Amino acid sequence: KNEVEQSPQNLTAQEGEFITINCSYSVGISALHWLQQHPGGGIVSLFMLSSGKKKHGRLIATINIQEKHSSLHITASHPRDSAVYICAVRLLDSGYALNFGKGTSLLVTP
Amino acid sequence: DVKVTQSSRYLVKRTGEKVFLECVQDMDHENMFWYRQDPGLGLRLIYFSYDVKMKEKGDIPEGYSVSREKKERFSLILESASTNQTSMYLCASSLSGTGAEQYFGPGTRLTVT
Repeated sequence: KNEVEQSPQNLTAQEGEFITINCSYSVGISALHWLQQHPGGGIVSLFMLSSGKKKHGRLIATINIQEKHSSLHITASHPRDSAVYICAVRLLDSGYALNFGKGTSLLVTP
Repeated sequence: DVKVTQSSRYLVKRTGEKVFLECVQDMDHENMFWYRQDPGLGLRLIYFSYDVKMKEKGDIPEGYSVSREKKERFSLILESASTNQTSMYLCASSLSGTGAEQYFGPGTRLTVT
């Protein structure tokens, strides 16, 4: 079972393009996280959302609780944005644990 | 800045060996987690701990055990390593409370031959 689905699985974009990565989930959640993983393994938390929209630099994350959907947008993409982006949700009845999507692998070419 | 460190970035062990993976965090976090990450499967929770000496099984605890004797340190133990435990292992920590952000370590890539 996977309560978290991400799309697309792989994405190639040219530098400067606007990028959208989508995350859908099927059950009630208390929070949704967007994470970034660069080659080599380390994971960095980008956003934690429970409603609305958050912005940090060129990154924007939105969540629609009613539709059980979140998007991560990257404006003016750059090759250094190349990474795997992972959506994770904290289910309402799961306490501390997160359920993860399988990730979206983004490659931004010069 | 929160810092989560893991004892090794790369580790090669033989089938049947006992393997210890160590994780240390420096922010006095109550919660600590061990995940494994495999291609096509994403991250899956092995065990987590919400306090010293307290632990709960995650989604895939079979073949693993954990130890948390001190608040800052959470160890993952493979009692008898097998080739299907070849994976990337990631540790994370967070404050208590279900809304807390998790901070991840750099990961240990374990190969069991």
